[in-house]
Amino acid sequence: AQTVTQSQPEMSVQEAETVTLSCTYDTSENNYYLFWYKQPPSRQMILVIRQEAYKQQNATENRFSVNFQKAAKSFSLKISDSQLGDTAMYFCAFGGQNYGGSQGNLIFGKGTKLSVKP
Amino acid sequence: KAGVTQTPRYLIKTRGQQVTLSCSPISGHRSVSWYQQTPGQGLQFLFEYFSETQRNKGNFPGRFSGRQFSNSRSEMNVSTLELGDSALYLCASSLAGSRFSPLHFGNGTRLTVT
Repeated sequence: AQTVTQSQPEMSVQEAETVTLSCTYDTSENNYYLFWYKQPPSRQMILVIRQEAYKQQNATENRFSVNFQKAAKSFSLKISDSQLGDTAMYFCAFGGQNYGGSQGNLIFGKGTKLSVKP
Repeated sequence: KAGVTQTPRYLIKTRGQQVTLSCSPISGHRSVSWYQQTPGQGLQFLFEYFSETQRNKGNFPGRFSGRQFSNSRSEMNVSTLELGDSALYLCASSLAGSRFSPLHFGNGTRLTVT
């Protein structure tokens, strides 16, 4: 069974600085999907960034980028120029090769609570 | 486009009662998934519905059930509530058929069982 591990329960960063959140996963599949979601105090989970495993190029969305190391099964999230609004829980999620089909659920890590300090 | 809507936002129930939660997906989304979120277990997958059929189910007891209607709206039901069922229940919809389609989540229903 696939597992997702986020080893940092809590992190803090000063506003305008850069922070990296770690995520590792375990799978025997070759084709899969990885996601980072953000959950602010409002409770709504918001997609931050996504990566297809067969794409070697790291995904980037504005201030958010990932470092995807397929061989190491590592998928870290880098937040540049941190803003107060980035304060939230961040979840790493894995979608297997059947994601979107009959085995379509995501497997989530336990999350990292990020606090951005002024 | 309106997002995923979950009602109610908060519920307080007594042990042994049953509860029904509702979810309206984004227009055009045909897949609806449900997740239970607790501080101890994190996010756990309950089930997924597509075109009114349950096509995927997590490891939860039969007290947890759901259904999907022809307009893609979904409900989940928990019978014989236990204290451990207290959690945030999240609904998510997606464009089924697109393999890279992300889940779009609602704000959740906070269920407290006393």
